[in-house]
Amino acid sequence: QVQLQESGPGLVKPSETLSLTCTLSGGSISNYYWTWIRQPPGKGLEWIGYVYYTGSTNYSPSLKSRVTMLIDTSKNQFSLKLSSVTAADTAVYYCARADYGSGSYYMDVWGKGTTVTVSS
Amino acid sequence: SSELTQDPAVSVALGQTVRITCQGDSLRSYYASWYQQKPGQAPVLVIYGKNNRPSGIPVRFSGSSSGNTASLAITGAQAEDEADYYCNSRDSSGNHWVFGGGTKLTVL
Repeated sequence: QVQLQESGPGLVKPSETLSLTCTLSGGSISNYYWTWIRQPPGKGLEWIGYVYYTGSTNYSPSLKSRVTMLIDTSKNQFSLKLSSVTAADTAVYYCARADYGSGSYYMDVWGKGTTVTVSS
Repeated sequence: SSELTQDPAVSVALGQTVRITCQGDSLRSYYASWYQQKPGQAPVLVIYGKNNRPSGIPVRFSGSSSGNTASLAITGAQAEDEADYYCNSRDSSGNHWVFGGGTKLTVL
């Protein structure tokens, strides 16, 4: 079945760049919106943005100045870079597959999540 | 604060029906999707579109929408339905996505 797996450093220093990769297995990367979501400890979900399989992107306005998302269809991978991180960026980061149907976008496959802590 | 507003907590007696709501101006134009999240786990999609359940989601979960409010109903709540529930839809510009703040459901 379709699976997603996040990978990347669990600890990032303040002011540095957080870099995560999500690897897709068991499915096609085409025709979907590849999405990043995060969840600070004890708080709710926050949509970070998506990269479409064509490479076009859509970022949350609150994070847009610091976010870059890329996709490598040959490797079935997509990535997230978040620059100038602070402690407020400490969270569980999820990658997810999103599609559009029946009048809404929806995220139907999620990775297990990876914890990223920002600390010196 | 989120552009989609949810009650922080709701409770329901075992076997009864509960409705979890999500309010926002964008919901007058766009449907919401709903996610269930249990402690330590990734969210799971339970409802999307007008009222669509992914494969494997029990029929007791249903969705509806009226005006600026989207609702997730659980008819005959079970103990395993105790979880956090999040709505997701477009923001007020219609160009980006946003989550509601989440509702913690307790099954008594």
